[in-house]
Amino acid sequence: DAKTTQPPSMDCAEGRAANLPCNHSTISGNEYVYWYRQIHSQGPQYIIHGLKNNETNEMASLIITEDRKSSTLILPHATLRDTAVYYCIVRGNDMRFGAGTRLTVKP
Amino acid sequence: NAGVTQTPKFRVLKTGQSMTLLCAQDMNHEYMYWYRQDPGMGLRLIHYSVGEGTTAKGEVPDGYNVSRLKKQNFLLGLESAAPSQTSVYFCASSYSGRANEQFFGPGTRLTVL
Repeated sequence: DAKTTQPPSMDCAEGRAANLPCNHSTISGNEYVYWYRQIHSQGPQYIIHGLKNNETNEMASLIITEDRKSSTLILPHATLRDTAVYYCIVRGNDMRFGAGTRLTVKP
Repeated sequence: NAGVTQTPKFRVLKTGQSMTLLCAQDMNHEYMYWYRQDPGMGLRLIHYSVGEGTTAKGEVPDGYNVSRLKKQNFLLGLESAAPSQTSVYFCASSYSGRANEQFFGPGTRLTVL
């Protein structure tokens, strides 16, 4: 079973920040939090990952709580092309995908 | 730099037929993975490899075999295809384990009649 819980769907207005939550209360100390997205039926696209500290790259920011039991992916200025299914994954020796959050960015 | 490529893109099989899916990567990655994705669901790991000549079972390995004879290639075999194996198959590779992201191929859509 996936080790994460995400809302099944979210909407966001174009140009606004999209904040996608993820709960991973059973995460172990050496497991990373990864975010991927999948647009239509394409292969998943890597977004960002982190262990303990918050991370930022050109695509997004990842905020991990101090107890590491939850995290938030932030897309700072969502565009229509960010409409996709977003997967939060706790990665240990394997990487188990849940059902993800379907983000719809609306004009 | 092609990244991760998969062959074929589409395939239709009859029940009981066999086939091999090929995954190739040109990034010199050690780790390679095979996933399947059924409609409306996330990806599930079938088998993976942590280096040339090694393979290991994932979450749903039954009915599949794999081989990693060369570092850049990872083959997924179906010896006797069943309708339950109708799915989209994705290959991925990564430089190492949990600290490095996986790069995914475009997928192979397989239908078993």
